[in-house]
Amino acid sequence: QKEVEQNSGPLSVPEGAIASLNCTYSDRGSQSFFWYRQYSGKSPELIMFIYSNGDKEDGRFTAQLNKASQYVSLLIRDSQPSDSATYLCAVNMRNSSASKIIFGSGTRLSIRP
Amino acid sequence: GAVVSQHPSRVICKSGTSVKIECRSLDFQATTMFWYRQFPKKSLMLMATSNEGSKATYEQGVEKDKFLINHASLTLSTLTVTSAHPEDSSFYICSAKFSGTDTQYFGPGTRLTVL
Repeated sequence: QKEVEQNSGPLSVPEGAIASLNCTYSDRGSQSFFWYRQYSGKSPELIMFIYSNGDKEDGRFTAQLNKASQYVSLLIRDSQPSDSATYLCAVNMRNSSASKIIFGSGTRLSIRP
Repeated sequence: GAVVSQHPSRVICKSGTSVKIECRSLDFQATTMFWYRQFPKKSLMLMATSNEGSKATYEQGVEKDKFLINHASLTLSTLTVTSAHPEDSSFYICSAKFSGTDTQYFGPGTRLTVL
């Protein structure tokens, strides 16, 4: 089982609709969860982080965390063509010596006009 | 805030040469910096974790003698690809975090092409 799993997509969503991106993780001890956006040929850009169960909203973005189900999602409301990118879910894994972020393989999102 | 720069943004070199990539945190002190590699249409792969003033911790399968990492100050880490070969051609990205947070902020990346 991969440590962080995402559907690779592509996920195609019409402009103005809600895009829903999902991620599951294997380490029950994980405490920090991140969503990054990566445009083709560019480095990842932090969108949101979430630490507590429930929803966290920032503008058109909402992150949802359910630690019992080991599931984190990202909702993008009023999707715009500029939202077309690969979205990376990242989870902080803690081991005995250091904490590091494990990235999922990313979900390609395409917003069609 | 939390800006990370990388230099150079793009480098082309001949096989057998060494290439140094710099990663700087511009507006914060980075207690830890990370180096990633990304091949086309693939996910980020962590190469090593670097703490200021100490030796880097390399991920399994990453040759520490080939990818030399130095983190001499709280704002600068360098990655040197020694004796580069075409299979080392990739997108190298650094990230940095400051004490008390898990959030990593990424540099813009360096695209290395080895001929």
